Amino acid sequence: DAGITQSPRHKVTETGTPVTLRCHQTENHRYMYWYRQDPGHGLRLIHYSYGVKDTDKGEVSDGYSVSRSKTEDFLLTLESATSSQTSVYFCAISAKGTGPLGYGYTFGSGTRLTVV
Amino acid sequence: GQQVMQIPQYQHVQEGEDFTTYCNSSTTLSNIQWYKQRPGGHPVFLIQLVKSGEVKKQKRLTFQFGEAKKNSSLHITATQTTDVGTYFCAGIVGGSARQLTFGSGTQLTVLP
Repeated sequence: DAGITQSPRHKVTETGTPVTLRCHQTENHRYMYWYRQDPGHGLRLIHYSYGVKDTDKGEVSDGYSVSRSKTEDFLLTLESATSSQTSVYFCAISAKGTGPLGYGYTFGSGTRLTVV
Repeated sequence: GQQVMQIPQYQHVQEGEDFTTYCNSSTTLSNIQWYKQRPGGHPVFLIQLVKSGEVKKQKRLTFQFGEAKKNSSLHITATQTTDVGTYFCAGIVGGSARQLTFGSGTQLTVLP
């Protein structure tokens, strides 16, 4: 969708190397999320942000860190990539977050990461 | 672990047949959302249900939220090849109200 971009779209990296994925939005939305998608597991939340410098862990946060120094950018870092982190990573944004008053998420096109 | 269960995991239908996917939670959901992901694409938001017993329609798609707010369903009438994709439900379970938990999805194949 227009308004959210992920980079890179594809990446192959070696085990043990650090990797940073970028999510950029032009919607000025407060909430941003990082999910990973693996067969049979659907989408699992890694980390999310509810404002600049405000982040929290999701269901599968081990081995990942995030940073949000500007409203528009949310970075996901794999400190030392492992083969189990081979996955498709999706960033999502939301204007009002989660809950009855929230709206649906808008997802980016994803980053396919392969750790060899 | 997965706290929002979705069945079936796969469904093959002949074009023109109906299709239903079910979403169940062991805890009450404050709201539930449905998404569609085309093959090779990203999830796209379809709808949100909030009220107990709520029913919403989008053309051939009918969404229901159970009376106890623990289950939901998506029904597609007279499937078309454009309906192909994976359908996910998502809701808030336990913990932080800021975390949306997705079901594992139902992958729909429509045979022409």
